Amino acid sequence: DIQMTQSPSTLSASVGDRVTITCRARQSISSWLAWYQQKPGKAPKVLIYKASSLESGVPSRFSGSGSGTEFNLTISSLQPDDFATYYCQQYNSYPLTFGGGTKVEIK
Amino acid sequence: EVQLVQSGAEVKKPGESLKISCKGSGYRFTSYWIGWVRQMPGKGLEWMGIIYPGDSDTRYSPSFQGQVTISADKSISTAYLQWSSLKASDTAMYYCARVKTGTNFFDYWGQGTLVTVSS
Repeated sequence: DIQMTQSPSTLSASVGDRVTITCRARQSISSWLAWYQQKPGKAPKVLIYKASSLESGVPSRFSGSGSGTEFNLTISSLQPDDFATYYCQQYNSYPLTFGGGTKVEIK
Repeated sequence: EVQLVQSGAEVKKPGESLKISCKGSGYRFTSYWIGWVRQMPGKGLEWMGIIYPGDSDTRYSPSFQGQVTISADKSISTAYLQWSSLKASDTAMYYCARVKTGTNFFDYWGQGTLVTVSS
């Protein structure tokens, strides 16, 4: 299995802040990485796929970067609706695996 | 509009069997992989496995192989996740989700089915 490690596990930030979450893969996954946002009591929603492609309908303040083993999700200016938990997922090889999650909290 | 509608919450006793469902609509059900994801209380997401309803090709995570069965009935556009003997540790929210064509990430998700196993 390819282990995915996210950091930090919790992040406290204010509205308007620039926020970056990191996801590291134990081995190279090329660019086969997706990012999801999950709010309490709701299903996850995909934000980014293929490391840096923005899913349709997702605000442009979200961006993804990286390849190989290190990836970032950046929110350029945090909005009230963005306080949630974020997960990365590798889809380079089976079994597909998720990172442990990063909770973005209000500072 | 693509929709995945899951069956309702279940409360079961250890040792009982269970089959939960996920009905797809708004797209060609047989042409997209559907997967299942577990989320234990207060924890992260775990990829369980996927099925291609067109031919029932199935892939499991080793962590769930032999513990659950994933199936699909393409005649009614429904995927299933089943247990033959539940354990308390199966208590979790279970999501079904559609795999975006040509990739392996999930683009549409069901609302989740909460399974509670308690004596």
